[in-house]
Amino acid sequence: EVQLQESGPGLVKPSQSLSLTCSVTGYSITSNYWGWIRKFPGNKMEWMGYISYSGSTSYNPSLKSRISITRDTSKNQFFLQLNSVTTEDTATYYCARWGYNNYDYYFDYWGQGVMVTVSS
Amino acid sequence: DIQLTQSPSSMSASLGDRVSLTCQSSQGIGNYLSWYQHKPGKPPKPMIYYATNLADGVPSRFSGSRSGSDYSLTISSLESEDTAIYYCLQYDEYPFTFGSGTKLEIK
Repeated sequence: EVQLQESGPGLVKPSQSLSLTCSVTGYSITSNYWGWIRKFPGNKMEWMGYISYSGSTSYNPSLKSRISITRDTSKNQFFLQLNSVTTEDTATYYCARWGYNNYDYYFDYWGQGVMVTVSS
Repeated sequence: DIQLTQSPSSMSASLGDRVSLTCQSSQGIGNYLSWYQHKPGKPPKPMIYYATNLADGVPSRFSGSRSGSDYSLTISSLESEDTAIYYCLQYDEYPFTFGSGTKLEIK
């Protein structure tokens, strides 16, 4: 069974970097696409970006140059780094697989999510 | 960015009711739309993909449809476990974008 688990600090200070890890079991990250999505207080959801099976990336332009998604295939993990955070980055962060199923792609497996608060 | 407008923003219905949630796209996205159910403390759960296809393990009382740029998620007979926020997601163009969600409650 495919399982994803986010990990990382729950509290980050403004202007610092947010770093999260998504550990994947039951499936290799060298197949399909692997994304980060966040949900803000107030329920807005935002697609942040993904890393592909080959290591290429696509990011939401709203995050400009602050975001980086990388991976370690030997550990079957991928990572999110978001720089220069502000209180507006306070959210629950999810990692998910963008997987192909029968007809098309969708986010078929998700981690449980990690709540990150940006506060001094 | 493509804007998705979900309506209503919240609603309540009775057990056994037929419920339809709507998602309208600001531009054509073909069938590249999926629906997710989100309950507190749990990850979002995929319900519908490619506008009309049921995701794995989703009960058959859920269905998706499309009319032009209007997309609907329908629950044929509402059950108590269907209480959640439902989001649509377009993946026709980058950046992928979500609708603002419809909060569904049981009367």
